[in-house]
Amino acid sequence: AQSVTQLGSHVSVSEGALVLLRCNYSSSVPPYLFWYVQYPNQGLQLLLKYTSAATLVKGINGFEAEFKKSETSFHLTKPSAHMSDAAEYFCAVTGFGGGATNKLIFGTGTLLAVQP
Amino acid sequence: DGGITQSPKYLFRKEGQNVTLSCEQNLNHDAMYWYRQDPGQGLRLIYYSQIVNDFQKGDIAEGYSVSREKKESFPLTVTSAQKNPTAFYLCASSILGQGAYEQYFGPGTRLTVT
Repeated sequence: AQSVTQLGSHVSVSEGALVLLRCNYSSSVPPYLFWYVQYPNQGLQLLLKYTSAATLVKGINGFEAEFKKSETSFHLTKPSAHMSDAAEYFCAVTGFGGGATNKLIFGTGTLLAVQP
Repeated sequence: DGGITQSPKYLFRKEGQNVTLSCEQNLNHDAMYWYRQDPGQGLRLIYYSQIVNDFQKGDIAEGYSVSREKKESFPLTVTSAQKNPTAFYLCASSILGQGAYEQYFGPGTRLTVT
């Protein structure tokens, strides 16, 4: 069965510092992986996704993630944090459980705080 | 603009009452999903539907019911049997298929039951 673990439920960085949000996955088949962002009291917005075309994936708002099969990781990074990056971030993996469509298995989320 | 709408944004109910949350999409997606979100627990799948008039239970379906009479609509009813209904509910939709198809989310409904 597929699963996702996000290490660190809360991460705090200073404005301008590197953002690193960790995600490890477990999958018995080659996975598709996603990062979503959620601002308070809003829905989730896709940041980026891994489709096996390239191991380094660039997304919106300056974020990127690298797929490392040997480490079963898909960590999210951004070189320089902005105050507007403060939000909750979710990693998700496709859950191939039969049927005609994907189910997504979500991690428990990482709340990113950005200090001025 | 294409997207998913959920209404209302905030909903208050008394314990013992059923309540229905609305979800509409104009993305022409075949698949639709309902999630429940609680602090520190991520998103948990309640129900999903791949085609009109068909739906499957997710991981936490007890106390909930859904219908899919139209492709663009997937309402969720929180019944009085749901032991802890206060939560943030998110509806999503996607292209049908087992590929790298992301899900698109609505803005959510926050339900408070007292």
